[in-house]
Amino acid sequence: DAKTTQPTSMDCAEGRAANLPCNHSTISGNEYVYWYRQIHSQGPQYIIHGLKNNETNEMASLIITEDRKSSTLILPHATLRDTAVYYCIAVSSPGRRTQGGSEKLVFGKGTKLTVNP
Amino acid sequence: ETGVTQTPRHLVMGMTNKKSLKCEQHLGHNAMYWYKQSAKKPLELMFVYSLEERVENNSVPSRFSPECPNSSHLFLHLHTLQPEDSALYLCASSQEVAGGRRTGELFFGEGSRLTVL
Repeated sequence: DAKTTQPTSMDCAEGRAANLPCNHSTISGNEYVYWYRQIHSQGPQYIIHGLKNNETNEMASLIITEDRKSSTLILPHATLRDTAVYYCIAVSSPGRRTQGGSEKLVFGKGTKLTVNP
Repeated sequence: ETGVTQTPRHLVMGMTNKKSLKCEQHLGHNAMYWYKQSAKKPLELMFVYSLEERVENNSVPSRFSPECPNSSHLFLHLHTLQPEDSALYLCASSQEVAGGRRTGELFFGEGSRLTVL
């Protein structure tokens, strides 16, 4: 699976949009981009995923560049409860079994987003 | 509430003790996972069970012994642990679709915080 690079930390004002970047320059054609977040002392929470097209759900929007080498997670109106570590993960075709019988969801260090009042 | 429940939430044990962590999912999923999260380190995948069969063992020491009696329950049996095994242990589940493929959308429990003295 492709390695992803994210800034260590970011700040955002409450009510403003939070734009979290992720670089995945070695991503291959069958790798999806997944975003999770982990609020302090809780388990990670799935946010959104995409392959080529931009995606939107009730939590966030995902913008993937045309060359797929980077993406941006957008929280349109950040709240204090959005303070968390955000993980960007490149995963080979969801559910396709890699050697050993499973896909690997490999979490890096993520971006620590702090939403300030 | 993610539909994945872990007990106990906190556990303190000595190096000679035997204890177990329990995970139960109410989502009808048929794949379950154990992850370990040590302080200031990324999440590490430990074990994957698919349709109650272990399909991934990520070079985990034998002092950790998983058990999956059915698709809703997952245990992690612990014995003769070391202080460096102190960590947050996270359980997750996902759905395996036709053809043995699983989605990359994992649902995590809140974790069991383990301290080994």
